[in-house]
Amino acid sequence: RKEVEQDPGPFNVPEGATVAFNCTYSNSASQSFFWYRQDCRKEPKLLMSVYSSGNEDGRFTAQLNRASQYISLLIRDSKLSDSATYLCVVRGNAGNMLTFGGGTRLMVKP
Amino acid sequence: DVKVTQSSRYLVKRTGEKVFLECVQDMDHENMFWYRQDPGLGLRLIYFSYDVKMKEKGDIPEGYSVSREKKERFSLILESASTNQTSMYLCASSSQGVGYTFGSGTRLTVV
Repeated sequence: RKEVEQDPGPFNVPEGATVAFNCTYSNSASQSFFWYRQDCRKEPKLLMSVYSSGNEDGRFTAQLNRASQYISLLIRDSKLSDSATYLCVVRGNAGNMLTFGGGTRLMVKP
Repeated sequence: DVKVTQSSRYLVKRTGEKVFLECVQDMDHENMFWYRQDPGLGLRLIYFSYDVKMKEKGDIPEGYSVSREKKERFSLILESASTNQTSMYLCASSSQGVGYTFGSGTRLTVV
């Protein structure tokens, strides 16, 4: 079983739609959680951290469910520019190592 | 903003060549990492370093070595390049408790 699992997609949605991605992780002792965004042929960039109480940044909402060991990302009012691959990332309880999921590809259509 | 700079955006090398990929960060980060990214396989950790002169193997170290002589620089070395090392190579750095900042990547083709 992979340490961090994501549905690879692609998720094809129209502009203005709301879309949600989930991610599960296997290490119950994981300490920190992030969503990264990666555009085609570019490097991953931090989108947002995920806090236990859930957090929002504009149209993006991230939630953490420790009991079920999953993380979610909700994007409201999708824009064409949201088209990218979204990587779920987890930090374990030792050291500074991050573990990356395989990514979920989002394509927003006009 | 943290800057992580990788020396080359695109490289083409011949089989058997020794290849050096350089990565420099400007924020005094302790931790540096080398990944490769291939379609369908995601990001795979090759080597990492938590301090100068320190290195640890990641998940796929075979065929690679690294050097960290200075805190800001972490080099990845392909001792004898092979076609299965054709990939996108990503360097990242971080400080304790924060996420990674990635360089813009080096797309290496071995022919």
